[in-house]
Amino acid sequence: GQQVMQIPQYQHVQEGEDFTTYCNSSTTLSNIQWYKQRPGGHPVFLIQLVKSGEVKKQKRLTFQFGEAKKNSSLHITATQTTDVGTYFCAGGVDSSYKLIFGSGTRLLVRP
Amino acid sequence: DGGITQSPKYLFRKEGQNVTLSCEQNLNHDAMYWYRQDPGQGLRLIYYSQIVNDFQKGDIAEGYSVSREKKESFPLTVTSAQKNPTAFYLCASSKDTGELFFGEGSRLTVL
Repeated sequence: GQQVMQIPQYQHVQEGEDFTTYCNSSTTLSNIQWYKQRPGGHPVFLIQLVKSGEVKKQKRLTFQFGEAKKNSSLHITATQTTDVGTYFCAGGVDSSYKLIFGSGTRLLVRP
Repeated sequence: DGGITQSPKYLFRKEGQNVTLSCEQNLNHDAMYWYRQDPGQGLRLIYYSQIVNDFQKGDIAEGYSVSREKKESFPLTVTSAQKNPTAFYLCASSKDTGELFFGEGSRLTVL
């Protein structure tokens, strides 16, 4: 079946260091979304990418969608303690409402 | 304020009992979803509905049932046929194939 793999599973960084999480899909995606879930909370939407090779920035966060629309990455520059949480990618296929979530990357930041 | 309301937040169930989790939204979204989250894992789709009186099975529908009689409501019943129901259940809605808005979740524990 369709799968979205996400690595790493965990990342523990010193505050101020950069962080990157990667997603790879077994099939071509129509779009990819990124969500952040704080400990004990619910996922909150960050961004959606739809175009091949697309790059979007939100302050210290940079999101990329691969040329083949099978992979994506989220990069955080100079992490802060407020960045702590689990980051999930979610891929859409065709025009389906169904999203396939990656297993998430849990980010821990040492102050 | 507009949003998604899930209840109850915590629920305990004895083996062999059915339980129903409530999900209500006032965002006027057509699509609604139920996801299951297990510790350290991503979100797995149980059921989704694109329109009233219609719903589709997700990846792990066995042991669950849903109804969509009103646009605002999408209750999930966890039946006794679900072998391992202890989990965090998240309801979401979307306007189309874009951003998912999540409720705060319901944590079900089987005693």
